Amino acid sequence: ETGVTQSPTHLIKTRGQQVTLRCSSQSGHNTVSWYQQALGQGPQFIFQYYREEENGRGNFPPRFSGLQFPNYSSELNVNALELDDSALYLCASSGAGTSGAEQYFGPGTRLTVT
Amino acid sequence: GENVEQHPSTLSVQEGDSAVIKCTYSDSASNYFPWYKQELGKRPQLIIDIRSNVGEKKDQRIAVTLNKTAKHFSLHITETQPEDSAVYFCAASIREGSQGNLIFGKGTKLSVKP
Repeated sequence: ETGVTQSPTHLIKTRGQQVTLRCSSQSGHNTVSWYQQALGQGPQFIFQYYREEENGRGNFPPRFSGLQFPNYSSELNVNALELDDSALYLCASSGAGTSGAEQYFGPGTRLTVT
Repeated sequence: GENVEQHPSTLSVQEGDSAVIKCTYSDSASNYFPWYKQELGKRPQLIIDIRSNVGEKKDQRIAVTLNKTAKHFSLHITETQPEDSAVYFCAASIREGSQGNLIFGKGTKLSVKP
């Protein structure tokens, strides 16, 4: 198993609410990427944080926002939840150096919007 | 932007047979190609990756080949075992160190029959 952890494991929210998901990166890793995985689909890139700055964003609206902290852990915030936001949210961490390209995933947070 | 196509979507093989999954990508600037295995309800697990300066890489029963000219790469699993049953995802990325997002294929559900 990787050293990437996520919380909470599961979450149920109502349409219009806001949610915050958390990710702790693997020791020594300074980059965190967030992905949304709908049922039966491959993960879709939301955004990436490198040394506390957003470093790339996928095709997601501004109501998806994030933060990275000095210890490289990260948060994903989603405002004004919609039914289509129901998915598995995965974070992945990667580090510097020649092996820096490898991304290791956390167990994910299953979000259900009703 | 980058687009990754993956085939087949489902693959059923007999234990001991080989399995091959193929992916094509669109952006010739992509330089990193990982493969992930995802068992039901679990995180995607990195099983092998290849960089654009290498044509083939092998790790025990798993091998990946890359054809940069044709922009396609493949996963080969030999001597399949029931525990190889899972969904496999290919991905492509323009990586600089730890940065650069992964674009995933839609996945291949591999079933290995004992």
